[in-house]
Amino acid sequence: NAGVTQTPKFQVLKTGQSMTLQCAQDMNHNSMYWYRQDPGMGLRLIYYSASEGTTDKGEVPNGYNVSRLNKREFSLRLESAAPSQTSVYFCASGDREPNQPQHFGDGTRLSIL
Amino acid sequence: QKEVEQNSGPLSVPEGAIASLNCTYSDRGSQSFFWYRQYSGKSPELIMFIYSNGDKEDGRFTAQLNKASQYVSLLIRDSQPSDSATYLCAVKSITNTGFQKLVFGTGTRLLVSP
Repeated sequence: NAGVTQTPKFQVLKTGQSMTLQCAQDMNHNSMYWYRQDPGMGLRLIYYSASEGTTDKGEVPNGYNVSRLNKREFSLRLESAAPSQTSVYFCASGDREPNQPQHFGDGTRLSIL
Repeated sequence: QKEVEQNSGPLSVPEGAIASLNCTYSDRGSQSFFWYRQYSGKSPELIMFIYSNGDKEDGRFTAQLNKASQYVSLLIRDSQPSDSATYLCAVKSITNTGFQKLVFGTGTRLLVSP
Protein backbone atom coordinates (compact mmCIF):
# COMPACT_ATOMS: atom_id res chain seq x y z
CA ASN A 1 0.00 0.00 0.00
CA ALA A 2 1.47 3.30 -1.10
CA GLY A 3 -0.74 5.55 1.07
CA VAL A 4 -0.13 9.15 0.00
CA THR A 5 2.35 9.66 -2.84
CA GLN A 6 3.85 13.05 -3.66
CA THR A 7 5.96 14.04 -6.64
CA PRO A 8 8.52 15.44 -7.02
CA LYS A 9 10.50 14.96 -3.80
CA PHE A 10 12.84 17.88 -4.48
CA GLN A 11 12.65 20.85 -6.82
CA VAL A 12 14.60 24.05 -7.38
CA LEU A 13 12.90 26.88 -9.23
CA LYS A 14 13.82 30.38 -10.26
CA THR A 15 11.64 33.29 -9.19
CA GLY A 16 8.71 33.65 -11.56
CA GLN A 17 8.69 30.04 -12.77
CA SER A 18 5.62 27.90 -12.38
CA MET A 19 5.21 24.31 -11.34
CA THR A 20 2.66 21.78 -10.13
CA LEU A 21 3.10 19.48 -7.16
CA GLN A 22 1.27 16.20 -7.56
CA CYS A 23 -0.41 14.15 -4.86
CA ALA A 24 -2.31 10.85 -5.05
CA GLN A 25 -3.82 8.67 -2.34
CA ASP A 26 -5.01 5.07 -2.49
CA MET A 27 -6.90 4.96 0.81
CA ASN A 28 -10.27 5.99 -0.66
CA HIS A 29 -10.34 9.10 1.53
CA ASN A 30 -12.81 11.84 0.75
CA SER A 31 -10.70 14.76 1.99
CA MET A 32 -7.28 15.90 0.86
CA TYR A 33 -5.05 18.72 2.09
CA TRP A 34 -1.96 20.69 1.19
CA TYR A 35 0.27 22.05 3.96
CA ARG A 36 3.52 23.92 4.04
CA GLN A 37 6.01 23.54 6.87
CA ASP A 38 8.52 26.25 7.73
CA PRO A 39 10.94 26.38 10.67
CA GLY A 40 9.22 27.68 13.79
CA MET A 41 5.85 27.95 12.02
CA GLY A 42 4.58 24.42 12.17
CA LEU A 43 2.27 22.96 9.54
CA ARG A 44 0.03 25.52 7.91
CA LEU A 45 -2.92 24.62 5.72
CA ILE A 46 -2.77 26.06 2.21
CA TYR A 47 -5.84 24.55 0.57
CA TYR A 48 -8.09 21.60 1.18
CA SER A 49 -10.66 19.55 -0.66
CA ALA A 50 -13.40 18.22 1.59
CA SER A 51 -14.68 15.94 -1.15
CA GLU A 52 -14.26 15.28 -4.86
CA GLY A 53 -15.27 18.36 -6.82
CA THR A 54 -14.77 20.87 -4.01
CA THR A 55 -11.79 22.93 -2.92
CA ASP A 56 -11.42 25.70 -0.38
CA LYS A 57 -8.81 28.05 1.02
CA GLY A 58 -6.91 27.31 4.17
CA GLU A 59 -4.75 29.56 6.31
CA VAL A 60 -2.14 30.61 3.71
CA PRO A 61 -3.62 30.31 0.17
CA ASN A 62 -2.07 33.35 -1.52
CA GLY A 63 0.14 32.47 -4.47
CA TYR A 64 -1.27 28.96 -4.88
CA ASN A 65 -4.03 27.20 -6.78
CA VAL A 66 -5.31 23.65 -6.49
CA SER A 67 -7.17 21.10 -8.53
CA ARG A 68 -9.02 18.05 -7.23
CA LEU A 69 -8.71 15.99 -10.37
CA ASN A 70 -10.64 13.01 -9.02
CA LYS A 71 -11.05 11.28 -5.67
CA ARG A 72 -7.45 10.09 -5.68
CA GLU A 73 -5.55 13.14 -6.92
CA PHE A 74 -5.09 16.67 -5.59
CA SER A 75 -2.51 18.96 -7.16
CA LEU A 76 -1.00 22.24 -5.97
CA ARG A 77 0.18 24.84 -8.49
CA LEU A 78 2.52 27.76 -8.04
CA GLU A 79 1.83 30.11 -10.94
CA SER A 80 4.72 32.52 -10.35
CA ALA A 81 7.09 31.22 -7.70
CA ALA A 82 8.51 33.61 -5.11
CA PRO A 83 11.37 33.07 -2.64
CA SER A 84 8.83 33.25 0.21
CA GLN A 85 7.37 30.00 -1.11
CA THR A 86 10.56 28.11 -0.33
CA SER A 87 9.30 25.45 2.04
CA VAL A 88 8.54 21.78 2.55
CA TYR A 89 5.12 20.91 1.17
CA PHE A 90 3.07 18.03 2.51
CA CYS A 91 -0.03 16.50 1.04
CA ALA A 92 -2.38 14.63 3.37
CA SER A 93 -5.62 12.73 3.11
CA GLY A 94 -8.24 11.68 5.62
CA ASP A 95 -11.91 11.28 6.32
CA ARG A 96 -14.19 13.77 7.96
CA GLU A 97 -15.24 11.78 11.01
CA PRO A 98 -13.87 13.35 14.21
CA ASN A 99 -11.70 10.41 15.22
CA GLN A 100 -10.11 9.91 11.82
CA PRO A 101 -6.53 11.18 11.44
CA GLN A 102 -4.84 12.61 8.41
CA HIS A 103 -2.13 10.60 6.66
CA PHE A 104 0.81 12.40 5.14
CA GLY A 105 2.92 11.97 2.05
CA ASP A 106 6.71 12.13 2.19
CA GLY A 107 6.81 15.80 1.27
CA THR A 108 8.29 17.97 -1.47
CA ARG A 109 11.28 20.16 -0.64
CA LEU A 110 10.95 23.25 -2.81
CA SER A 111 13.61 25.94 -3.11
CA ILE A 112 13.00 29.12 -5.03
CA LEU A 113 16.02 31.21 -5.95
CA GLN B 1 -3.30 33.33 21.38
CA LYS B 2 -2.34 30.45 19.12
CA GLU B 3 -4.98 27.81 18.56
CA VAL B 4 -2.64 25.00 19.61
CA GLU B 5 0.39 25.69 21.78
CA GLN B 6 3.37 23.52 22.56
CA ASN B 7 6.70 24.23 24.19
CA SER B 8 9.27 24.05 21.39
CA GLY B 9 11.90 22.43 23.64
CA PRO B 10 14.20 20.72 23.32
CA LEU B 11 13.03 18.41 26.09
CA SER B 12 16.02 16.33 27.14
CA VAL B 13 15.52 13.06 29.03
CA PRO B 14 17.88 10.15 29.74
CA GLU B 15 17.25 6.75 28.22
CA GLY B 16 14.70 4.79 30.25
CA ALA B 17 13.01 7.87 31.72
CA ILE B 18 9.47 9.08 31.16
CA ALA B 19 9.09 11.92 28.67
CA SER B 20 6.09 14.18 29.18
CA LEU B 21 4.94 16.33 26.26
CA ASN B 22 2.21 18.90 26.73
CA CYS B 23 -0.23 20.77 24.53
CA THR B 24 -2.96 23.33 25.16
CA TYR B 25 -5.68 24.40 22.77
CA SER B 26 -8.05 27.35 22.58
CA ASP B 27 -11.19 26.00 20.86
CA ARG B 28 -13.52 24.48 23.46
CA GLY B 29 -15.48 22.82 20.67
CA SER B 30 -12.51 20.69 19.62
CA GLN B 31 -13.50 17.09 19.22
CA SER B 32 -10.41 14.98 18.81
CA PHE B 33 -6.73 15.20 19.45
CA PHE B 34 -3.80 13.62 17.69
CA TRP B 35 -0.12 13.14 18.38
CA TYR B 36 2.25 12.87 15.43
CA ARG B 37 5.96 12.10 15.51
CA GLN B 38 8.22 13.73 12.94
CA TYR B 39 11.82 12.72 12.45
CA SER B 40 14.12 15.30 10.92
CA GLY B 41 13.57 15.50 7.18
CA LYS B 42 10.61 13.12 7.28
CA SER B 43 6.85 13.45 7.21
CA PRO B 44 4.60 13.38 10.29
CA GLU B 45 3.45 9.92 11.32
CA LEU B 46 0.49 9.28 13.59
CA ILE B 47 1.26 7.89 17.05
CA MET B 48 -2.05 8.17 18.87
CA PHE B 49 -5.38 9.91 18.99
CA ILE B 50 -7.78 10.53 21.85
CA TYR B 51 -11.25 12.05 22.00
CA SER B 52 -12.57 11.19 25.48
CA ASN B 53 -11.43 12.68 28.76
CA GLY B 54 -8.93 10.52 30.59
CA ASP B 55 -6.04 8.33 29.56
CA LYS B 56 -5.47 6.14 26.53
CA GLU B 57 -2.55 3.75 26.47
CA ASP B 58 -0.81 2.11 23.52
CA GLY B 59 2.40 0.30 24.34
CA ARG B 60 4.90 2.77 25.77
CA PHE B 61 2.70 5.73 24.87
CA THR B 62 -0.12 7.22 26.93
CA ALA B 63 -2.25 10.12 25.77
CA GLN B 64 -4.09 12.16 28.39
CA LEU B 65 -6.97 14.54 27.73
CA ASN B 66 -8.58 17.09 30.02
CA LYS B 67 -11.22 19.02 28.07
CA ALA B 68 -12.13 21.24 31.04
CA SER B 69 -8.55 22.51 31.17
CA GLN B 70 -8.14 22.34 27.37
CA TYR B 71 -5.02 20.30 27.85
CA VAL B 72 -3.68 17.18 26.16
CA SER B 73 -0.43 15.39 26.90
CA LEU B 74 1.66 12.50 25.66
CA LEU B 75 3.73 10.36 28.01
CA ILE B 76 6.47 8.15 26.63
CA ARG B 77 7.62 5.51 29.10
CA ASP B 78 11.05 3.86 28.95
CA SER B 79 12.23 6.50 26.47
CA GLN B 80 14.68 5.29 23.83
CA PRO B 81 17.18 7.25 21.71
CA SER B 82 15.02 6.27 18.72
CA ASP B 83 12.20 8.35 20.26
CA SER B 84 14.26 11.49 19.61
CA ALA B 85 12.08 13.48 17.21
CA THR B 86 9.67 16.39 17.09
CA TYR B 87 6.21 15.62 18.45
CA LEU B 88 3.30 17.50 16.92
CA CYS B 89 0.02 17.98 18.72
CA ALA B 90 -2.98 18.36 16.38
CA VAL B 91 -6.52 19.33 17.29
CA LYS B 92 -9.59 18.63 15.17
CA SER B 93 -12.56 20.94 15.28
CA ILE B 94 -15.47 21.95 13.08
CA THR B 95 -15.50 25.25 11.21
CA ASN B 96 -18.67 27.27 10.70
CA THR B 97 -18.95 25.71 7.23
CA GLY B 98 -18.99 22.21 8.70
CA PHE B 99 -15.44 21.37 7.69
CA GLN B 100 -13.35 19.28 10.08
CA LYS B 101 -10.09 21.18 10.28
CA LEU B 102 -6.91 19.90 11.88
CA VAL B 103 -4.76 22.55 13.52
CA PHE B 104 -1.18 21.72 14.43
CA GLY B 105 1.05 23.04 17.14
CA THR B 106 4.61 23.94 16.22
CA GLY B 107 5.92 20.81 17.92
CA THR B 108 8.16 19.86 20.82
CA ARG B 109 11.60 18.52 20.07
CA LEU B 110 12.48 15.53 22.26
CA LEU B 111 16.08 14.40 22.79
CA VAL B 112 16.69 11.07 24.52
CA SER B 113 20.30 10.60 25.55
CA PRO B 114 21.85 7.10 25.90
